[in-house]
Amino acid sequence: GENVEQHPSTLSVQEGDSAVIKCTYSDSASNYFPWYKQELGKRPQLIIDIRSNVGEKKDQRIAVTLNKTAKHFSLHITETQPEDSAVYFCAASISGGYQKVTFGTGTKLQVIP
Amino acid sequence: DAGVIQSPRHEVTEMGQEVTLRCKPISGHDYLFWYRQTMMRGLELLIYFNNNVPIDDSGMPEDRFSAKMPNASFSTLKIQPSEPRDSAVYFCASSFRGSDTEAFFGQGTRLTVV
Repeated sequence: GENVEQHPSTLSVQEGDSAVIKCTYSDSASNYFPWYKQELGKRPQLIIDIRSNVGEKKDQRIAVTLNKTAKHFSLHITETQPEDSAVYFCAASISGGYQKVTFGTGTKLQVIP
Repeated sequence: DAGVIQSPRHEVTEMGQEVTLRCKPISGHDYLFWYRQTMMRGLELLIYFNNNVPIDDSGMPEDRFSAKMPNASFSTLKIQPSEPRDSAVYFCASSFRGSDTEAFFGQGTRLTVV
């Protein structure tokens, strides 16, 4: 089955700096890669996703890149703010008949004011 | 729509007791997922349903765990008998069309087995 590895497990940055979280996946058939943000005590919520037919996607201060050859994808947050502090999960799945979503182990991001 | 609704929000039970967690997915969503979240293992998929039919239950840890979806608007996850190592936050999520679209999570049920 699919295996998703996520690094680092914790990340501290100064407010205004950039943060990068990296994930690798094992199944070359995976073609959908969402990122979820989970604030303390709350539910995971989708913040951005990317499909295998594109290499990069941006939404304001967040961007995701995908390298299908190397089977890795990354989340980039620029101009970090204290409200970006949360746990971020990457995930990989295969659209079509088999619908399982595999999550990474999460990255706890702390933005220091 | 109120989103995915789970109940109870918190459950404390004694070891050996039966525990039932409930979930109401977003109306119109045809996929429902049950996840377990712990510090040690992160977010694990336990089981998912498509159009009320269980598709993959390979993540269910033991026979003590069972899940049902009697109709499109209700699902249960049951643990019988419960054990302290079952303590975790259990999330239900639903989506439309499947795993290549956004999954909407409920608020979760924090289960503590003492």
